[in-house]
Amino acid sequence: AVLTQSPLSLPVTLGQPASISCRSSQSLVHSDGNTHLNWLHQRPGHPPRRLIYKISNRESGVPDRFSGAGSGTDFTLEISRVEAEDVGVYYCMEGIYWRFGQGTKLEIK
Amino acid sequence: EVQLVESGGGLVQPGGSLRLSCVDSGFTFSSYWMNWVRQAPGKGLEWVASIKVDGSEKYYMDSVRGRFSISRDNARNSLYLQMNRLRVEDTAMYYCARDSSVVGGSVWGQGTMVRVSS
Repeated sequence: AVLTQSPLSLPVTLGQPASISCRSSQSLVHSDGNTHLNWLHQRPGHPPRRLIYKISNRESGVPDRFSGAGSGTDFTLEISRVEAEDVGVYYCMEGIYWRFGQGTKLEIK
Repeated sequence: EVQLVESGGGLVQPGGSLRLSCVDSGFTFSSYWMNWVRQAPGKGLEWVASIKVDGSEKYYMDSVRGRFSISRDNARNSLYLQMNRLRVEDTAMYYCARDSSVVGGSVWGQGTMVRVSS
């Protein structure tokens, strides 16, 4: 499956919402019945950190302003109110075959 | 806290070889598929190779198949990537990582940098 993210660049005003789309070229529903779609966040000079797993499950310590949704081939990461610490690149990732989207760079306007 | 620590990167000439290592500080290394992921400077994440818990299955991206070899030693909690016939386009930060669909199930190392240049 090829994962296509949009937009690739996302300038956002502090306190405003942000949304990133991830579309797959084929369904990501695995034979185990789960959809292993993750969202990762990477700051410059750091390894990626998983924020969301299985579409909508937040990792421990991830603020509840982050939410994931979707099914099948279409997925979305939403940030309800962007904070300064949210800058960086966001990747969607299929967790069985380790396919990545191209990344979306979020910056503060 | 589980940590993955990579080593073995460096500067190598085209056609040369390097062996990357990744040590898991936890106690459950042998329970997980392990993976190598790379990131060229200024670029996105790219899966390189995966290995099953017991080493019986290995998978590679097309451009490294036949040149790279992934292996593991569960007794040493270690993952390896033998890289031969290196090319300029293999220049990247190489991360070892694992991912399971439970809270805290994603672990990435800090990465080791590989530079292929004459």
